[in-house]
Amino acid sequence: AQTVTQSQPEMSVQEAETVTLSCTYDTSESDYYLFWYKQPPSRQMILVIRQEAYKQQNATENRFSVNFQKAAKSFSLKISDSQLGDAAMYFCAYRSARTGNQFYFGTGTSLTVIP
Amino acid sequence: EPEVTQTPSHQVTQMGQEVILRCVPISNHLYFYWYRQILGQKVEFLVSFYNNEISEKSEIFDDQFSVERPDGSNFTLKIRSTKLEDSAMYFCASSQRDRAGSPHDNEQFFGPGTRLTVL
Repeated sequence: AQTVTQSQPEMSVQEAETVTLSCTYDTSESDYYLFWYKQPPSRQMILVIRQEAYKQQNATENRFSVNFQKAAKSFSLKISDSQLGDAAMYFCAYRSARTGNQFYFGTGTSLTVIP
Repeated sequence: EPEVTQTPSHQVTQMGQEVILRCVPISNHLYFYWYRQILGQKVEFLVSFYNNEISEKSEIFDDQFSVERPDGSNFTLKIRSTKLEDSAMYFCASSQRDRAGSPHDNEQFFGPGTRLTVL
């Protein structure tokens, strides 16, 4: 079974600075998707960024970018110019492109943004 | 923007009681899911549902769990006889397509969750 590991339960960043959240995963598949979801307090998880494993280019969405290292099975999220609204729980997730529809989530990283 | 909604936001029940957690998926979505997160642990997949049938379920989803789409808009998760270890946050999600769809179409949209506390 696939596993997703987030080794940083909590992180903090100064407003306007850059922070990187780590995620590693384990799979024997070659075709899959990786995701970062953001969950603000008492709100639903929303998709931040998605990476297709067959794409070598790292995904970017405005201030959010990933460092996808397929061989190392690493998928980190970089948040640039951090804003107060970025404070949330961040979940890394894996989904197969071939079998099943379910997501496999990490345990999450709680990000605090310091004004 | 359309959202997945869930009610109640918090449910407290006695061990052995039945609970029904409700979800209203996004209206044009066809695939529905339940996940749960025990405090401090990972979000775990429970079940997926399509065309009025369970399409996948995890080993967590045993006989005490059932899902239903009773009226074309709601999607419910029933726990027949709750146990202390069922205490968790339960998330509903929906998507237009399954994994075969484009990345945009197969994106799962999550609800805010129902916190279930079993006493």
